[in-house]
Amino acid sequence: KNQVEQSPQSLIILEGKNCTLQCNYTVSPFSNLRWYKQDTGRGPVSLTIMTFSENTKSNGRYTATLDADTKQSSLHITASQLSDSASYICVVSASAPGGYNKLIFGAGTRLAVHP
Amino acid sequence: DVKVTQSSRYLVKRTGEKVFLECVQDMDHENMFWYRQDPGLGLRLIYFSYDVKMKEKGDIPEGYSVSREKKERFSLILESASTNQTSMYLCASSLFTGDYNEQFFGPGTRLTVL
Repeated sequence: KNQVEQSPQSLIILEGKNCTLQCNYTVSPFSNLRWYKQDTGRGPVSLTIMTFSENTKSNGRYTATLDADTKQSSLHITASQLSDSASYICVVSASAPGGYNKLIFGAGTRLAVHP
Repeated sequence: DVKVTQSSRYLVKRTGEKVFLECVQDMDHENMFWYRQDPGLGLRLIYFSYDVKMKEKGDIPEGYSVSREKKERFSLILESASTNQTSMYLCASSLFTGDYNEQFFGPGTRLTVL
């Protein structure tokens, strides 16, 4: 069964600190992995995408890593800001016949950055 | 920028009412999707459409129907709302369905069924 599990469920950090969010998946056949950021009351917005051959991708203070062998990904946030308070969702795309890939969503990690 | 809009941010309905949730995208995307999001669960796909008048069931289609009469508009219909349909509903659209299938999401509609 295709599954995406994220940890921790929630996290509180102080402004300026770094943090790392984890994503483990059992999805086959794997196509790509995205991290989305979802602010409260808003829809998710894509931060990064990684394919099988990529093992790191950065977007400003966000750095995602992918280990396709162990089926793990992480999202590292550097020098956190109050605006980083949001849910972070790991989404794995599974290749499907006809090119209609299926997205499998993790439940998300809720990050709160305190001053 | 892609813009996906949803007709209501908050909606309160009574059990048994017929409910329409509207979604419009302005980027000429072929593919549109309806999800529901509940606490502790990942987004779950209700229905999707890859062309006008085409629809496909997702993982949890029971109790829902959809309509896509125009390319830019995708409607989710709850024929007879029930309390277990209280949820956040998210619409999304994408240009591709394959490996580069980034989905762009609307702001969501928080539906409460009393």
